[in-house]
Formats: sequence, C-alpha cells, structure tokens
Amino acid sequence: NAGVTQTPKFRVLKTGQSMTLLCAQDMNHEYMYWYRQDPGMGLRLIHYSVGEGTTAKGEVPDGYNVSRLKKQNFLLGLESAAPSQTSVYFCASSPWGQQNTEAFFGQGTRLTVV
Amino acid sequence: GENVEQHPSTLSVQEGDSAVIKCTYSDSASNYFPWYKQELGKGPQLIIDIRSNVGEKKDQRIAVTLNKTAKHFSLHITETQPEDSAVYFCAATLSGNQFYFGTGTSLTVIP
Repeated sequence: NAGVTQTPKFRVLKTGQSMTLLCAQDMNHEYMYWYRQDPGMGLRLIHYSVGEGTTAKGEVPDGYNVSRLKKQNFLLGLESAAPSQTSVYFCASSPWGQQNTEAFFGQGTRLTVV
Repeated sequence: GENVEQHPSTLSVQEGDSAVIKCTYSDSASNYFPWYKQELGKGPQLIIDIRSNVGEKKDQRIAVTLNKTAKHFSLHITETQPEDSAVYFCAATLSGNQFYFGTGTSLTVIP
C-alpha cells in the first residue's frame, strides 16, 4: 500500500519558471492538503480540498494554485516561481468521518528557487 | 482560525530521561489533537492522538494529556531512546479536518 506519493522529490527552478507538484493517494480519502515547511515555522497550509472538484485556500495561498480533478490526485502549481517559495512541500490526505481523524503525509518535495 | 503555540523549540535529554513538549491552542471548538513525529528527510507520522472528550491517553512510553479548560495539551515521552530523536509537531483540529500545526520541537536524545 503506497499511501501518499509525491513527485518529484527534489527540484531546482529559476525565478519566473513554472512547475506542478503531483500528489497521489490510494486510500480513497476525501480530504487532501498541501503544506509548506520552513525552518522555525512548522507546517503551514497552502490549499486544501474536501473532495473531487473542490479546492479552498489555506493560510498561505498566494503564488500557488491547485486542482483536484480526480479524487486520488491533488496538484499544486507555481505559475511564476519566486525565491520565497524555496521550501519543503508536503501533501497529506485524510478520510471523511463524523470525527476528525489522522492525516497521512507524503515524503515531501524539496524545492529550491534560484 | 486556530493558533497553536508549541514549546520548547529544541530539547535535549539524556537517554532514559523523560521529555515533555507543551502546546496551547486558541479555539475552544478544536476537538482533535494529534502529535506527529518527523524523522530527517521524511514526512510527519502520527504517533499518538487525543480527542476533546478524553483527558489522557497512553501508548507504551508515550502519553498525551489534554486540559480543555486551559486549552493546552502535552506530549510525554518516558525512558527516552536515541531513536526518539526527531522533530515533533502538535496540531489542533477544527471541524472538517482542518489541521493547525505548532512550530515543532527538535528533540535530541543523548546516548
């Protein structure tokens, strides 16, 4: 069982370039999330989705776009990368339920913008 | 939204000693409090969680306590081992599985 898989694992971009990070989960989870992790700042929510075809903004959405065309995939796009977007990005998913429950994380994507 | 504060940011203990990490939250509607462990180069993994209707939960060497009135919860690790060295994150969760994370605690267990 693969769980949550992120691609790529590493990427270096030049300022102004665009790219898409892919997250795939095989647990049939309704909720999916994109976080960025920066030193001393913990995990900050960029965007999230509560189901196929829906997306919503998190704490730090500026400069990012997302899409959830299929339930198992959640894409994070950077249209014009900036050095401030250098970070480690984590995707997570969690199942819908009457009670909040555990989020499962991918292994992360280390992005450097030069 | 929710605001979660976590202390300390770094913690060093001798092997065999106990480690305590504390978190506070701001929104009384938060009802689920997971703790995640992140090893170097990996994604966070759940180690223990507690719901708002429970005051304490224990799993072997790990325990979590919750004080709803004071809006704080703590992670306790007893008999620490070198493999406990990692970054630990607390989180508070509002309805709809909205997770709000603390800023993390880097725990080092000295052999």
